[in-house]
Order: sequence, then C-alpha cells, then structure tokens
Amino acid sequence: GAVVSQHPSRVICKSGTSVKIECRSLDFQATTMFWYRQFPKQSLMLMATSNEGSKATYEQGVEKDKFLINHASLTLSTLTVTSAHPEDSSFYICSATGRGYTFGSGTRLTVV
Amino acid sequence: EDQVTQSPEALRLQEGESSSLNCSYTVSGLRGLFWYRQDPGKGPEFLFTLYSAGEEKEKERLKATLTKKESFLHITAPKPEDSATYLCAVQVHSGNTPLVFGKGTRLSVIA
Repeated sequence: GAVVSQHPSRVICKSGTSVKIECRSLDFQATTMFWYRQFPKQSLMLMATSNEGSKATYEQGVEKDKFLINHASLTLSTLTVTSAHPEDSSFYICSATGRGYTFGSGTRLTVV
Repeated sequence: EDQVTQSPEALRLQEGESSSLNCSYTVSGLRGLFWYRQDPGKGPEFLFTLYSAGEEKEKERLKATLTKKESFLHITAPKPEDSATYLCAVQVHSGNTPLVFGKGTRLSVIA
C-alpha cells in the first residue's frame, strides 16, 4: 500500500527558533501534498496545498511567512515553522495524493 | 459551502454491542467519500472509499455504506481495539484537491 513517512514524530523547541517537518512518499510519486493542523479533540484543519515545483497555496488565515512549505520533488515536502511561539504548539499532519489520500503519522510540536 | 457532519460526537459501547456512526454531507458534487480511523497521537489510517450511492464496502468488523445524503459506518461486535476516532471526509472536486473533513466520532469500546 501507499506509505507516507513523516519526521520527526515529536519535537520540542524554544520560542523564537524554527522547526522543519518532513513528509516523504515512500513508494509512489506525490503530485500534491497537503498540510493539516489538529488541535486536541478537533478535526483536521487544512493549512496549505503544495504541488511539486510550484508555490504552496495557503488557506485563509494561515501565515505563509510563518509556515514555509517547500515541495521540491515528487516525494518530499517540508513544512518549516519559523520563529515558533507557544501558540504554534499543535499536531501537524501531512497527506499525499498519488494513490488515494495517504496520511503521515503526524508531528507533535511543543514550543516552550 | 461544502459541509460534513458526523454524529454522534462520542460513542461508548460494550464489547460485542453493534452500532453505527453517521456521516451526512452537503456538497456541490461528490467525487468520493472516505472513512479513516485515527488513534491518539497518530495520523489518519485509511479504511474505505465510496464513490456512488448504494455502494458498500466491508473490512473485518466494519462496513461502510453510502446514500445520496449520508454514509454509515457499521461496527459489528466491536472489540476494545476498535476504540479510536473515526473520521469521514469527502472529495468535492476532481483532481488533487483537499478532502473536507467532519469532526469525527470518538468511539470507546469497553470490555
């Protein structure tokens, strides 16, 4: 089956620093990847859509300068949370299309 | 506006007590309806995709059905390991467009 690998699974960083999250499709080429944010006991909130080789499309209210998305190849997309603050603490999940919609295992970000 | 509503928000069952989860949708055009299972601290795990009214799919104790307005996820004789949040999502547009998710149903199965 289709597999999406997301790393790291957990990260703790200091306020003001940047954190990069990677999302890789292991056995298929992902033309499009999506990034979601999930708060406790809430559903997935779409942050942005990224297509290989082009700029990401951000949802309304998502700061593109804070959440930098790069989709440089058909198997890798990265989300960088820049100048992180405690309110950025959340669970971030990526999803890739290519074989249906496959999700990564998520990244728990804690900003202290 | 495209909307997906899941009910109940939470469900507690005794082991072996069958039940159904509901997913109703109001969308401009349905390309596919997806069911996922999500365990705490994990990403959603794919269960089923349904494409047209009348379609049914089964996997172990789970069976998903689809009508023109809603989908049901039937759980037969659940076990404690079936405890999870079940998410319903729809694909509205063709191509690689994002899914629209419901808020999920948190299922607890008690031994």
